[in-house]
This record gives sequence, structure tokens and C-alpha cells, in this order.
Amino acid sequence: ILNVEQSPQSLHVQEGDSTNFTCSFPSSNFYALHWYRWETAKSPEALFVMTLNGDEKKKGRISATLNTKEGYSYLYIKGSQPEDSATYLCAPPAGNQFYFGTGTSLTVIP
Amino acid sequence: NAGVTQTPKFQVLKTGQSMTLQCAQDMNHEYMSWYRQDPGMGLRLIHYSVGAGITDQGEVPNGYNVSRSTTEDFPLRLLSAAPSQTSVYFCASSYSRGLGEKLFFGSGTQLSVL
Repeated sequence: ILNVEQSPQSLHVQEGDSTNFTCSFPSSNFYALHWYRWETAKSPEALFVMTLNGDEKKKGRISATLNTKEGYSYLYIKGSQPEDSATYLCAPPAGNQFYFGTGTSLTVIP
Repeated sequence: NAGVTQTPKFQVLKTGQSMTLQCAQDMNHEYMSWYRQDPGMGLRLIHYSVGAGITDQGEVPNGYNVSRSTTEDFPLRLLSAAPSQTSVYFCASSYSRGLGEKLFFGSGTQLSVL
């Protein structure tokens, strides 16, 4: 079992605030990382797939970076909106398996 | 486009009963997998398949059985349900098993074992 940690566990921010989360993983085991967004009563949906050390991805106000050498990834949300409220999961794949973190639950207060 | 379809959405079982959770995808995906979601824990892999006729165990396989007779279907069987198997189950698939292939998830099955 490979340990994937996400922090913080939960976060409440005001609308318009910018925020970021961290995903940490054993650097010797993982060389790629996926971020998924999971809204309440829905299924997880892929946000970003990063497969190279130093990869940076952006979709609108959300961006992510990957450092496989030191074993971390950051997810940034600029100018949070209520519709950003969700749980954000990171999942580095190794072999044929994905190892999901427990997620960061974001609540954006209007 | 249906994507990944899971049935049933809810199920209540008594201890010792058996049942099958169904998962079907219409995207011609090679890779299919089953996860369980428990409070305070990340999604944990139960079983996965990299193609028809090929299955393998994930992190928490005990008490579950799978088969992959077609590309489209990947059923999960609970052989003798136990209260510890109360959980939310998700099926997920991807085009291939490559590191860059994102997972597509079904809508989940909430299972209670009494």
C-alpha cells in the first residue's frame, strides 16, 4: 500500500479568494498524477492528467503543477466561485493501479 | 452517450447473501476497475482488468470476485456479504492502462449489509 496524502482535509473560503491544496506521495514510486473533482451526489471527474516532472496544466481559473522528484503536486484555484465547491482528489498511478488520496473538501461561501 | 453505467444505485443485503454489481461502458475502454469509498478513506481499488479475459487484484480484493468476458462489462460479485462490505462502490474505466489515461467513473452503488 502506497501512502498518498492530501492537505488540508477541508477548507472554507470566501467567494473571490484564491486557494491551493497539496498532494504528497512517495517520490520513488510515482511518475504521473491525476486530479479529480468530485461534487456532492455526483461521480469524480478528471480535472488534470500530468505525466512529466515539472508539468503544469491550466483549465480556466484552476491550475496544477507536478514535482515527481520531490513527491508533490499543487492545485490552485484563482478567484474561487461557489460552483468550485467540491472534493478534490489526487491519484498517482503506478503500474495498473491508481492510489487515491482522501481528498480536500472545498466550500466556497458566497 | 451513456459512458459508464452502474446498477443498482442502492442495495440492502443481509449478512451471507450474495449479489452482483453491474458495470458496463460503451466507450471501448480496455481498462476497467472497481473501487470502494469509505468515510475518512480514499477510493480503494478492489479489482481491475486490462482487457477481456484478464483480471487482477487491487488493494482490497478479499470477499469480492470479478470476471471480464467482454470488453464492455465488468461485474463485481460479493460472494457472502458481510457488514464490513457496507460502502459506496464505483466502477471506473479508461481507454488503456497508460499513466496518461484519465478514469471515467460510474454513478456509484450504495450498498448496506445488515
